[in-house]
Amino acid sequence: ETGVTQTPRHLVMGMTNKKSLKCEQHLGHNAMYWYKQSAKKPLELMFVYNFKEQTENNSVPSRFSPECPNSSHLFLHLHTLQPEDSALYLCASSNDRANTGELFFGEGSRLTVL
Amino acid sequence: LAKTTQPISMDSYEGQEVNITCSHNNIATNDYITWYQQFPSQGPRFIIQGYKTKVTNEVASLFIPADRKSSTLSLPRVSLSDTAVYYCLVGGRGTGNQFYFGTGTSLTVIP
Repeated sequence: ETGVTQTPRHLVMGMTNKKSLKCEQHLGHNAMYWYKQSAKKPLELMFVYNFKEQTENNSVPSRFSPECPNSSHLFLHLHTLQPEDSALYLCASSNDRANTGELFFGEGSRLTVL
Repeated sequence: LAKTTQPISMDSYEGQEVNITCSHNNIATNDYITWYQQFPSQGPRFIIQGYKTKVTNEVASLFIPADRKSSTLSLPRVSLSDTAVYYCLVGGRGTGNQFYFGTGTSLTVIP
């Protein structure tokens, strides 16, 4: 238990569907992240939120839309995805005041796009 | 942003000490060095973090030379359950919250 909870753990969707991934952290952190990990590849940083403000968008296609309503919750809204978007999506949080690179990850949401 | 370079894979027998080295030639003054362990289909898990010299905890040691351009994660007496991918991450106050992971090292422990 890392204090970061992701739901759903598994999601299968068609290319025309709209779905959302949810992340919640119970650590009192103020920075939250979305990473994408395709099969046998390293983690790719997608988005960073710091005190609810987006501070990094790593050239992510617009079919991925993040939302951070408060410092404890982070969403990734998905629409008109492609099969190559199938991957493990990982949420992480950190204490921005320390900002040393100690990230706490959730277990991930395994997404399959048909 | 400090780029990291690690060996792609390593094999080790059970009970041996394993050392994984990470190169980070352009590390910034404010950057910390953090190592993570990741099992398949799980999120990475923090192992150890350091800034300089040597750090030791209950699972690993981290050696950082004076120039901080590399670091070595040392796992004592590995077991089969240590088979995983190990990532070296460099970053800190100087890079904001932009933490980019490298390719990682896939460690396989052999019985």
